[in-house]
Amino acid sequence: ETGVTQTPRHLVMGMTNKKSLKCEQHLGHNAMYWYKQSAKKPLELMFVYNFKEQTENNSVPSRFSPECPNSSHLFLHLHTLQPEDSALYLCASSPKSGRGVRDTQYFGPGTRLTVL
Amino acid sequence: DAKTTQPTSMDCAEGRAANLPCNHSTISGNEYVYWYRQIHSQGPQYIIHGLKNNETNEMASLIITEDRKSSTLILPHATLRDTAVYYCIVRVSGGSNYKLTFGKGTLLTVNP
Repeated sequence: ETGVTQTPRHLVMGMTNKKSLKCEQHLGHNAMYWYKQSAKKPLELMFVYNFKEQTENNSVPSRFSPECPNSSHLFLHLHTLQPEDSALYLCASSPKSGRGVRDTQYFGPGTRLTVL
Repeated sequence: DAKTTQPTSMDCAEGRAANLPCNHSTISGNEYVYWYRQIHSQGPQYIIHGLKNNETNEMASLIITEDRKSSTLILPHATLRDTAVYYCIVRVSGGSNYKLTFGKGTLLTVNP
């Protein structure tokens, strides 16, 4: 257990559905991240939130919409996805202080998303 | 952030030490070396990080060469559960850039 939970763990959706992925961290961290991991590809950073403010959007299509209502919760809203969006979606968080400590990211178990 | 080079795959016998190398010849003075691993279908797991001194924790040891151009992650007594992809990442700590870039890593297979 890393202190970062993600729900659901598995999700199957059609191209016209709207769904949301949820991430919650119990570590008191102030930065949260969404990553995408497609089959046989390196992890790709999607979004970064720092103190609830989005600080990075890594050229992600608008069919992915993040939301960070507070520093403990992060959502990824999905709508009109494509089959190529099928992947493992990972959430991570990191603390705010200490040299080198800020960049230690703790990952959740991920949501395995399949778009039909 | 400095680029890293790791072997694609390695094998290790159970109970033996696993030594995973990483080259980062363009590392700059304020960049740290981080190691993460990812067991199949799970989220990446932080292992250890360091700047220039060798580091040890309950999971592993990190040996950084004096010129800081390469490092080695050591798992002292590898078990079957250590089979995973190991990522070496070099980046500046702090500031407003939180980006952590994962490469392809090394697939370590621990054999019985």
